[in-house]
Amino acid sequence: EAGVAQSPRYKIIEKRQSVAFWCNPISGHATLYWYQQILGQGPKLLIQFQNNGVVDDSQLPKDRFSAERLKGVDSTLKIQPAKLEDSAVYLCASSLDLGTAYEQYFGPGTRLTVT
Amino acid sequence: QKEVEQNSGPLSVPEGAIASLNCTYSDRGSQSFFWYRQYSGKSPELIMSIYSNGDKEDGRFTAQLNKASQYVSLLIRDSQPSDSATYLCAVKFYEKLTFGTGTRLTIIP
Repeated sequence: EAGVAQSPRYKIIEKRQSVAFWCNPISGHATLYWYQQILGQGPKLLIQFQNNGVVDDSQLPKDRFSAERLKGVDSTLKIQPAKLEDSAVYLCASSLDLGTAYEQYFGPGTRLTVT
Repeated sequence: QKEVEQNSGPLSVPEGAIASLNCTYSDRGSQSFFWYRQYSGKSPELIMSIYSNGDKEDGRFTAQLNKASQYVSLLIRDSQPSDSATYLCAVKFYEKLTFGTGTRLTIIP
């Protein structure tokens, strides 16, 4: 079974530029998550989708971050404009469904450096 | 108060010994508990999940849960150098998974 795919793996941009990340979840997984992991910290949930609907985006900085999952499969996360403090690894994860017992599996992540 | 707390370490354990990693959580209604292993520069990898009080064993790993004390732990028996990594505790309350900051474990040959 193929895992969660993400691209690009690395991205370097200047502040105030825009950037987009792509994620393809494990086949059949209805729930998709985007996390931000700053060095030395645990992953922080940014947004959670169930199929193509948003379940939780309470920690997404909506003035600069946006995400979509139009057909309930792939998802993109965009930052516009980027700030220095956005430098982090952006992790995509998926799970079979919502619910407390469903385990989340992570993709390899995209390491973003904002200069 | 942090929702999920872990000792950041580093925790150094001799090869072949038992490594004990601990985690406490604040939300008494939390329902599911997970341990992830994260190697440097890699993404988190799920190694254990536990949903009810008691112990759950999987190979060299044992997860322990005590909901009354709001405490979950991970024991690694016969520690190997390949176990050197950061271990993240994650706690699920309804649909939201919250991570601790992780404990860095180093196995000394």
